[in-house]
Amino acid sequence: AQSVTQPDARVTVSEGASLQLRCKYSYFGTPYLFWYVQYPRQGLQLLLKYYPGDPVVQGVNGFEAEFSKSNSSFHLRKASVHWSDWAVYFCAVSNNYAQGLTFGLGTRVSVFP
Amino acid sequence: EAAVTQSPRNKVTVTGGNVTLSCRQTNSHNYMYWYRQDTGHGLRLIHYSYGAGNLQIGDVPDGYKATRTTQEDFFLLLELASPSQTSLYFCASSDQGGRAETLYFGSGTRLTVL
Repeated sequence: AQSVTQPDARVTVSEGASLQLRCKYSYFGTPYLFWYVQYPRQGLQLLLKYYPGDPVVQGVNGFEAEFSKSNSSFHLRKASVHWSDWAVYFCAVSNNYAQGLTFGLGTRVSVFP
Repeated sequence: EAAVTQSPRNKVTVTGGNVTLSCRQTNSHNYMYWYRQDTGHGLRLIHYSYGAGNLQIGDVPDGYKATRTTQEDFFLLLELASPSQTSLYFCASSDQGGRAETLYFGSGTRLTVL
């Protein structure tokens, strides 16, 4: 069965600094991968998604992610973090046809001035 | 932007109680999902549906029933609530139904079972 591991439960970063959130996946075949963000007291929103093709995917709000088949990874990056990026970030892999997504446990990002 | 509305926002019940969580999407999506979110477990799929009258079992279905009465409405039923079902519940919908589908989430229902 597919799975997603986010090794960092919490990350603290200064505003303006760069951010990288790690994601490792396990999937037999070609994965479709996603990053979602959950702002306080809200539901999840899509940041970006990966289809087979260009390994670097651009998302909203300056986020990007890079797929690596050899490392089974899909890490999320942002060059300069803003206070509004304070949120929980989830990596996910698509299940079979229309069976939803399998999510990692999430990484809580705190941004300080 | 897809709209998914959940109600109630918060619910408190007692052990053995009967609870119904509601979800409505207004974008004519065929696919709808119920997830629960718990610390240490992330989001886990309870039930899902491909359309009105269709129900599929997810990864953690025990203790839950679901019903999809229309394309818009998807309900999650807890007929004998237990404290282990205290959680944050999310409904989501999707129009694509394929592996690249984007899920649109509601704001969640926080359920406490005393």
